[in-house]
Amino acid sequence: DAGVTQSPTHLIKTRGQQVTLRCSPISGHKSVSWYQQVLGQGPQFIFQYYEKEERGRGNFPDRFSARQFPNYSSELNVNALLLGDSALYLCASSPGTNTGELFFGEGSRLTVL
Amino acid sequence: QKEVEQNSGPLSVPEGAIASLNCTYSDRGSQSFFWYRQYSGKSPELIMSIYSNGDKEDGRFTAQLNKASQYVSLLIRDSQPSDSATYLCAVPYSSASKIIFGSGTRLSIRP
Repeated sequence: DAGVTQSPTHLIKTRGQQVTLRCSPISGHKSVSWYQQVLGQGPQFIFQYYEKEERGRGNFPDRFSARQFPNYSSELNVNALLLGDSALYLCASSPGTNTGELFFGEGSRLTVL
Repeated sequence: QKEVEQNSGPLSVPEGAIASLNCTYSDRGSQSFFWYRQYSGKSPELIMSIYSNGDKEDGRFTAQLNKASQYVSLLIRDSQPSDSATYLCAVPYSSASKIIFGSGTRLSIRP
């Protein structure tokens, strides 16, 4: 079975631009979470979606938004990029909500210049 | 106080010894606890979960939980060079649908 897939794997943007990151969960998993990980830190929670509804939001500005589609795939959008948005963005899927058993994709490495 | 705290390390342990990794959390309502391993340049992978006070063993790994002290630990017996990685403690928070990770402890097993 395919694991969590994310695209693109690497991308470079300039300040002020917008980016969309995509995630396909493991088949049968209805929950998708997004995390931001900067070098030397643990993953920081951004959003959780379950059954297409936002179930949790971390301490990120409104420039960050996400959605989940009927097939449970998800997109993370970041507007007005800042240098500090440079990070590894991880998508994780799980069968349900409120479980710490997360299955991570390989991530999307974003560099903002 | 951080929601989930870990010593960042690095923790250097000789091959064959026991590595002990610690984690504290702030939400007394948390009921489940997870350990993830992250190799350099890779994404985190789940290695252990624990739900009840006491010990849980899985191969060379033992998770220990003390809810009264809000403390969870991971022991790795017979440490191998392949255990060299960053170990992340993760706690689902009872008041919200979010799983919070610690900053991770970098473990290095020296031959």
